Amino acid sequence: GENVEQHPSTLSVQEGDSAVIKCTYSDSASNYFPWYKQELGKRPQLIIDIRSNVGEKKDQRIAVTLNKTAKHFSLHITETQPEDSAVYFCAASIYNQGGKLIFGQGTELSVKP
Amino acid sequence: DAGITQSPRHKVTETGTPVTLRCHQTENHRYMYWYRQDPGHGLRLIHYSYGVKDTDKGEVSDGYSVSRSKTEDFLLTLESATSSQTSVYFCAISAGGDYEQYFGPGTRLTVT
Repeated sequence: GENVEQHPSTLSVQEGDSAVIKCTYSDSASNYFPWYKQELGKRPQLIIDIRSNVGEKKDQRIAVTLNKTAKHFSLHITETQPEDSAVYFCAASIYNQGGKLIFGQGTELSVKP
Repeated sequence: DAGITQSPRHKVTETGTPVTLRCHQTENHRYMYWYRQDPGHGLRLIHYSYGVKDTDKGEVSDGYSVSRSKTEDFLLTLESATSSQTSVYFCAISAGGDYEQYFGPGTRLTVT
C-alpha cells in the first residue's frame, strides 16, 4: 500500500525566513496531495492541496510543488511569521479509491521572533 | 470550520468496556472518515463511509466497527476498549471521494 515519508520532523526558523517541508510517496497511482496545519490541541486544517496534473500551486505565502517522476512534493512557506508555528502534515490519496488519505508523520515548525 | 461536531469531546473508560464515538455533520456530504492520531504516527484511517450503510476499512480497522444509518451521522464503536486504543479520534467529511477533507474538533479517549 501507499507509504508517505515526511522530513524534517522538526524545523526551526527565524521570523521572515522561508521554510520547506518535503514528503515522498511510494505509490505512483497517487494523484491528490493535501497539506494540513495543526495547532496545539486543535483540529488539522487544510491549507493547500495539489493534484497530479499540476506541478505547482501558490496561495499567498504558501506554495506546494510536485515532482511525479521522483514521487515527492514539498510545502514552501515564505516570510514566516510566529503564527505559522504549528505541526504540518502532508498526505496522499489515489483517485477513485474513496479518498483514503495516507499521512506523513508530521513536521513541527517553530518560527522564532 | 465546516459543520462537523464530535461527541463526546473527552472520555475516560476502562479496559474491556464498549465505547461509541459520534460524528455529526450539517453539510450533507456523502463521505465521512474516522482517523486516529498518535504521537509519531500522524493520522491513520480507521474506517470510512461513502454513503448511508456503505462503509469500508482503512489502515487500522482491527478492534473498531462503524455504522452510518443517516447521512449526517457516522458512529465509531470500540467493542471492547484496550489501552492501545487510547488516542485522539478525528472525524472528517468530504463532498466526494476525491475532494477536500475537513476535520471535526476531535475526541480524546483514554482507556485505563
